[in-house]
Amino acid sequence: SAVISQKPSRDICQRGTSLTIQCQVDSQVTMMFWYRQQPGQSLTLIATANQGSEATYESGFVIDKFPISRPNLTFSTLTVSNMSPEDSSIYLCSAKGGGNQPQHFGDGTRLSIL
Amino acid sequence: TQLLEQSPQFLSIQEGENLTVYCNSSSVFSSLQWYRQEPGEGPVLLVTVVTGGEVKKLKRLTFQFGDARKDSSLHITAAQPGDTGLYLCAGADTTTDSWGKLQFGAGTQVVVTP
Repeated sequence: SAVISQKPSRDICQRGTSLTIQCQVDSQVTMMFWYRQQPGQSLTLIATANQGSEATYESGFVIDKFPISRPNLTFSTLTVSNMSPEDSSIYLCSAKGGGNQPQHFGDGTRLSIL
Repeated sequence: TQLLEQSPQFLSIQEGENLTVYCNSSSVFSSLQWYRQEPGEGPVLLVTVVTGGEVKKLKRLTFQFGDARKDSSLHITAAQPGDTGLYLCAGADTTTDSWGKLQFGAGTQVVVTP
């Protein structure tokens, strides 16, 4: 299975600033996704990162707040823009192959906004 | 939107006891995954089931996919403290979504005490 590395693993940021989270996969994958998770709770899909084109966002998430890049088949970034305390959460990257291939996850980025 | 209902939300048992976690939906899934997540880490894939009626075993863990591919269960025999974690079920329907986006259940927090 693919090994997924996320950076940074955690950060504490000031409100109004932006943070870019990186996700690197050790092999080429078809799909990459970004999720948000409150500790002890389930995952909420933010968007699907499409290689070479704009990301596809889920209801409630917009590009201006969460710009995403995916320049190739192994790398993606998620930026959390103009952060507020409500953005404090765990942000997770996942990757999968086509069809019924399962998703594998990185260890997440724990973000706290003061 | 396919809804996956996971129960119970929380389970606290003694070492050596058995437990079952349920994942139910009114929708059909092409595949269903079970993940376990420990604090500070991302979800780790335990199993993928794709065939109605399928039963898979992973040591003391038994996973079952319903005949109609709408529900699943995870049974742990003789639970150990190392089984403690957040268990998540997630389904995908690639017949309607070729990207295979996952719909997650709410999660079951399992605590096994020595």
